[in-house]
Amino acid sequence: DAKTTQPPSMDCAEGRAANLPCNHSTISGNEYVYWYRQIHSQGPQYIIHGLKNNETNEMASLIITEDRKSSTLILPHATLRDTAVYYCIVRVESNQGGKLIFGQGTELSVKP
Amino acid sequence: DSGVTQTPKHLITATGQRVTLRCSPRSGDLSVYWYQQSLDQGLQFLIQYYNGEERAKGNILERFSAQQFPDLHSELNLSSLELGDSALYFCASSPGTGSGQPQHFGDGTRLSIL
Repeated sequence: DAKTTQPPSMDCAEGRAANLPCNHSTISGNEYVYWYRQIHSQGPQYIIHGLKNNETNEMASLIITEDRKSSTLILPHATLRDTAVYYCIVRVESNQGGKLIFGQGTELSVKP
Repeated sequence: DSGVTQTPKHLITATGQRVTLRCSPRSGDLSVYWYQQSLDQGLQFLIQYYNGEERAKGNILERFSAQQFPDLHSELNLSSLELGDSALYFCASSPGTGSGQPQHFGDGTRLSIL
């Protein structure tokens, strides 16, 4: 299983962009990078995913390096409600299904 | 709102008992996944069903079992409960099993064993 490495915590000022890095140097060519977040003890919330190209949706942007060994999740204008644990996950795909393997994530604190 | 519904939200019971957690997937989703989140283990994959059939198994104890019914809702049965089973149990669903299909999670069931 491809392993991800994230900083345990980050701070961001409200209104500024939050850039959350993730290292996944052992990723395989057909594995997607997913980002989820969890606010308090709520269910993990899907944010965005990508394979090779950069992706953008209404929540965030995902920048994947050309060698696919790392990625960055960008929250363009962080608000206090973006305070959460952010998980970078490489999606394992096999003939047995596609489970998500959660690591420790990055605890993002957005401060006023 | 993810569209995934889990009931009950909270469950308090005693050691040795048996409980059933229920999950209704998003409309149109055929895959259901169960995860456990405890303080010391983080989020752990338990089991996956696709269109009524077991598809993948993770770190699920033999005391735990699950099934997916013809209407696609799923139930996770936990028996001979121990104190260590106290955790948040999340259900997720996706349209199929492809790795390009996001899983969407419910709000979970908080199980407390006294």
